[in-house]
Amino acid sequence: DQQVKQNSPSLSVQEGRISILNCDYTNSMFDYFLWYKKYPAEGPTFLISISSIKDKNEDGRFTVFLNKSAKHLSLHIVPSQPGDSAVYFCAAFRSNDYKLSFGAGTTVTVRA
Amino acid sequence: GAGVSQSPSNKVTEKGKDVELRCDPISGHTALYWYRQRLGQGLEFLIYFQGNSAPDKSGLPSDRFSAERTGESVSTLTIQRTQQEDSAVYLCASSLTPAQPQHFGDGTRLSIL
Repeated sequence: DQQVKQNSPSLSVQEGRISILNCDYTNSMFDYFLWYKKYPAEGPTFLISISSIKDKNEDGRFTVFLNKSAKHLSLHIVPSQPGDSAVYFCAAFRSNDYKLSFGAGTTVTVRA
Repeated sequence: GAGVSQSPSNKVTEKGKDVELRCDPISGHTALYWYRQRLGQGLEFLIYFQGNSAPDKSGLPSDRFSAERTGESVSTLTIQRTQQEDSAVYLCASSLTPAQPQHFGDGTRLSIL
């Protein structure tokens, strides 16, 4: 039962341009959303999060947008840099059972 | 070190053998999680510890899988009578409290021959 979906397995973007990663979820009980970044042979690292009571959270080059009515969130990276090339996982958290559900990931490649 | 440490980093074993994977969480983190990532897939939740107890074991794939945590610190994930479908990267994460973002180790890559 895939409750968090990242429908784009990969994304290629030119350096300096915007990267937009999308994520959809099905469970309205999720109350916190996170993005993780993962390099090969390393564990995921926390990138940015957003509470379900907000619709935007910004941290430097990274901005996460949440549309609760559409059960959709997105991560914007601008400007994209070569070091941003990694797999990005969307995750959704339920505070009633502390369970974190992950999407399948989107591989971002930033071209020079 | 300051991060989550997992050992071994790689494990190759024959089908039918038992394996034990270890996780050292960040000191002071009360919550500890185990996940599995199969090739080309996302992270699959296995089990969660709050302190030494596991309120949620729903993700364990079968009764061949078990986990324990002692001293609110080290955790071990044991897989008995391994099968080829157990081949995956097993990731451990910890957080200060269950509501805080999780910090991940680099995982154990398990290969069953």
